[in-house]
Amino acid sequence: NAGVTQTPKFQVLKTGQSMTLQCAQDMNHNSMYWYRQDPGMGLRLIYYSASEGTTDKGEVPNGYNVSRLNKREFSLRLESAAPSQTSVYFCASSELPTGELFFGEGSRLTVL
Amino acid sequence: RKEVEQDPGPFNVPEGATVAFNCTYSNSASQSFFWYRQDCRKEPKLLMSVYSSGNEDGRFTAQLNRASQYISLLIRDSKLSDSATYLCVVKGPRTGGFKTIFGAGTRLFVKA
Repeated sequence: NAGVTQTPKFQVLKTGQSMTLQCAQDMNHNSMYWYRQDPGMGLRLIYYSASEGTTDKGEVPNGYNVSRLNKREFSLRLESAAPSQTSVYFCASSELPTGELFFGEGSRLTVL
Repeated sequence: RKEVEQDPGPFNVPEGATVAFNCTYSNSASQSFFWYRQDCRKEPKLLMSVYSSGNEDGRFTAQLNRASQYISLLIRDSKLSDSATYLCVVKGPRTGGFKTIFGAGTRLFVKA
């Protein structure tokens, strides 16, 4: 029972490098989200996709891009990583926009 | 002012104690409310939704006060396994794309 799967779980980047975080859900959910979590800040929404084919900016979208590849997959790309993007990234999905969020296990990213 | 505010704690309580957390939110048009639990270095998981009439799940009771814009979580007969961070989550109205805001969390330590 996979739920929401994120890869990679850990990554170390140098400033300026690019990378893509992958997320897939097998619950046939319509909505998918990317959050980052920093100490004392709570989870902050980077981008979300209310349904396949749509994406919208969240609270902290600068420095990120997303792709809703299909209903199952929602990727997050860092084009030119910065130390300020060191964080734990969580992908989540929900059946309805008003419903419960199901989270992946998180991806720990360090930018040197 | 943060959109969702919680006392960060930590709350240190003995086993068997009753402990209560409060959370305030700023958007009076918010649609739905949740408490999530997050264990150290793990993903958040839904503890319970919060309904206007208040709701109970075993030792946990959640209440919503729309007039004062706060929600609460009461844990009775605390167990060691209740030690975690409790996140207050508020979803906004349809006009805002059901924007989901997380509080920074309240840390609970239950000791023997």
